[in-house]
Amino acid sequence: EADIYQTPRYLVIGTGKKITLECSQTMGHDKMYWYQQDPGMELHLIHYSYGVNSTEKGDLSSESTVSRIRTEHFPLTLESARPSHTSQYLCASGRQGTGNEQFFGPGTRLTVL
Amino acid sequence: AQSVAQPEDQVNVAEGNPLTVKCTYSVSGNPYLFWYVQYPNRGLQFLLKYITGDNLVKGSYGFEAEFNKSQTSFHLKKPSALVSDSALYFCAVRGPGDTGRRALTFGSGTRLQVQP
Repeated sequence: EADIYQTPRYLVIGTGKKITLECSQTMGHDKMYWYQQDPGMELHLIHYSYGVNSTEKGDLSSESTVSRIRTEHFPLTLESARPSHTSQYLCASGRQGTGNEQFFGPGTRLTVL
Repeated sequence: AQSVAQPEDQVNVAEGNPLTVKCTYSVSGNPYLFWYVQYPNRGLQFLLKYITGDNLVKGSYGFEAEFNKSQTSFHLKKPSALVSDSALYFCAVRGPGDTGRRALTFGSGTRLQVQP
């Protein structure tokens, strides 16, 4: 089992609230990722980071922001949640190198009312 | 740009029968290919990968996949399906020209249903 953690696992929140989804890994991986996934559907990359203080947007446009101040920590923030943000958010990490697989956290299921 | 296609939304198979979940890819140069499985309310779990070498790759839980360069395919297989194999399966690819910074490109997923 990979050592990558996400909290909270489930979050139900009202429109307009600011939220932060936590992701941390204890494997010392340089690369970390955030994916958005509607239930049973494909994954869409929304953010990635290849090291401390380096973040980039992914393929799917997202109103969320991320930070990477420490190697092990890659939180995702929504300044003002909306119902359209309702989804599952998966965090992943991986070692440097093209052939290395990613390890996924359990996900956070977000519902915005 | 690289892409992955999983042509079947769902695959149904009886327990004990062999299963195949299809995946084709498009990438410039030699690909790096991966299979992941997702159980309900869980994150993705890595099953196996092809980097180079033998075209038949063996992975976790008795799964294997065959890389076919001429058909640009990487189908997932298992000789004898179990009910517990029922899950969502994702194929993913990364191209050799990638700096390694970007994430994998995932297919749309195939739901495997194994009937007792």
